[in-house]
Amino acid sequence: EAGVVQSPRYKIIEKKQPVAFWCNPISGHNTLYWYLQNLGQGPELLIRYENEEAVDDSQLPKDRFSAERLKGVDSTLKIQPAELGDSAVYLCASSLDLRQGGGDEQFFGPGTRLTVL
Amino acid sequence: GDSVTQMEGPVTLSEEACLTINCTYTATGYPSLFWYVQYPGEGLQLLLKATKADDKGSNKGFEATYRKETTSFHLEKGSVQVSDSAVYFCALGNYNQGGKLIFGQGTELSVKP
Repeated sequence: EAGVVQSPRYKIIEKKQPVAFWCNPISGHNTLYWYLQNLGQGPELLIRYENEEAVDDSQLPKDRFSAERLKGVDSTLKIQPAELGDSAVYLCASSLDLRQGGGDEQFFGPGTRLTVL
Repeated sequence: GDSVTQMEGPVTLSEEACLTINCTYTATGYPSLFWYVQYPGEGLQLLLKATKADDKGSNKGFEATYRKETTSFHLEKGSVQVSDSAVYFCALGNYNQGGKLIFGQGTELSVKP
């Protein structure tokens, strides 16, 4: 079974430029998460989707960050414009729907390491 | 709000030494507790979990017991190997908060031959 796929794995951009990250969750997983992991820290949730609905985006800086999950499968996270402080690893995770008794294990992708110069 | 605190690293051990990584938490309700591991260049992988008090999670020789009275979930292994070198994250998931995971800051383990 394929795991969570993310691309690109690495991205280097100059500040003020836009950037986008893509995530393909495990087939059948209704819930998708985007986490931000700063160097030396644990991941922090940015946004959670149940199917195509964003049910928790309270930690997403909406002035520059946006996300979408069209058709409830793949998801894209965008930053525009990027700032120096956005340099971090962006992780995508997926899980079965908790309400369907799928358990609470989240499966993580390898992440996208963003460097803003 | 809910939070997780782990012992700081890096932790350096010789092969076959005993390992303990401390983890304590603050949470409302009845969270599930997890240990995730991140090997160099790879994504986070679930190592073990416990969903209620006194449960013991175990995998690959690692163990952790959900202690509600001390709000702890310490990770232990009796004999570490070089291949255990990685960063270990303690996390909690609270269903009444939508199941999002709250992570500790991670503890880097380095095992020398």
